[in-house]
Amino acid sequence: KQEVTQIPAALSVPEGENLVLNCSFTDSAIYNLQWFRQDPGKGLTSLLLIQSSQREQTSGRLNASLDKSSGRSTLYIAASQPGDSATYLCAVKGPGANNLFFGTGTRLTVIP
Amino acid sequence: DAGVIQSPRHEVTEMGQEVTLRCKPISGHNSLFWYRQTMMRGLELLIYFNNNVPIDDSGMPEDRFSAKMPNASFSTLKIQPSEPRDSAVYFCASSPEPGTSGGGDTQYFGPGTRLTVL
Repeated sequence: KQEVTQIPAALSVPEGENLVLNCSFTDSAIYNLQWFRQDPGKGLTSLLLIQSSQREQTSGRLNASLDKSSGRSTLYIAASQPGDSATYLCAVKGPGANNLFFGTGTRLTVIP
Repeated sequence: DAGVIQSPRHEVTEMGQEVTLRCKPISGHNSLFWYRQTMMRGLELLIYFNNNVPIDDSGMPEDRFSAKMPNASFSTLKIQPSEPRDSAVYFCASSPEPGTSGGGDTQYFGPGTRLTVL
């Protein structure tokens, strides 16, 4: 069974700092990988989706990379803002399946 | 579009009672997922439907849990009888046809139902 791990579990940074969140998965046979954001008491919002054939995706200040062979992905957030404070989850989708396997998330706090 | 709608948003019940959670997926989406989120185990898939048919229910913890999707616009997750260890946030998500250009690989989540079983 696919297992997804995220490190660190929590991260606190001052506003303006660049930061990296890490995600690792045990089975490299994935269809795609997504990064989600979850605000307290809310559902999940998809931020970036990387297909298995891609190496990275960018959206604004966010950049996600994928190294399928090593089972790793990173989410890079540039010039962090207090509004970026949330829990970030990565999820992988296997081939031939429609379900996602989620990591336990990294809770990010950006201090003004 | 209103997004995925879940009700109730909060439910507090006593052990042994029946609990029914409801979900209305985004119109036109043909896959629906039920997840459970706890501090200890994170987000876990319970069951998912494709075109109203249950495809994978291997995540349903035990016979006390059941899910139905009588039509494309409505699904329920029922727990009977409920136990304190069922306390969690239950999310419903939907997605368009798998492989659809653009959004087919993304799941859209509802706001969740926070269940507390006393």
